[in-house]
Amino acid sequence: GAGVSQSPSNKVTEKGKDVELRCDPISGHTALYWYRQSLGQGLEFLIYFQGNSAPDKSGLPSDRFSAERTGGSVSTLTIQRTQQEDSAVYLCASRGAANYGYTFGSGTRLTVV
Amino acid sequence: GQQLNQSPQSMFIQEGEDVSMNCTSSSIFNTWLWYKQDPGEGPVLLIALYKAGELTSNGRLTAQFGITRKDSFLNISASIPSDVGIYFCAGQIISSGSARQLTFGSGTQLTVLP
Repeated sequence: GAGVSQSPSNKVTEKGKDVELRCDPISGHTALYWYRQSLGQGLEFLIYFQGNSAPDKSGLPSDRFSAERTGGSVSTLTIQRTQQEDSAVYLCASRGAANYGYTFGSGTRLTVV
Repeated sequence: GQQLNQSPQSMFIQEGEDVSMNCTSSSIFNTWLWYKQDPGEGPVLLIALYKAGELTSNGRLTAQFGITRKDSFLNISASIPSDVGIYFCAGQIISSGSARQLTFGSGTQLTVLP
């Protein structure tokens, strides 16, 4: 597609439930990133996929967080046993091989109640 | 890890005024980027800087990559209502074997008063 697409745009879940967030990057972009933005805060790096290389998971805050990227395209961020502190906007971005600038999706606003 | 200090945290200005915001870092970056985020949207790239000392303009926006590679500023001239939003600086280190993730500042919330 023309831009980075994320779904759902909003998700309200009960504490303890698992959630899956989806990201469709720009077609042909080799790099895909997940960031988290808490209210009034900057963007916190979570995980980075580059082509077929092993992902950089150094930003994942706990083992409840995981992500995969299938076929070098769509990515899913999974949060297990959600906690209230997981409430935030989760942003996905993709980047072409020769492009330093990222293109961000509109994000998924996750609210854990 | 790297940290970016962005200031000011928020600004209230009159339409037509100029505004300046900046970021400083304890680490050296190869690239500085400035993004704007509107409510409910992801950040959108405004300006990218690749060389120390570089001064780049994009319409009413001007940004500079500090000589020390540890700072950058963004100026907006003759502000208009649609300039309202959150502005983020971001630094990137590019080296072999290093993931090219961006480190973001905490943002500057800009409000333009009519």
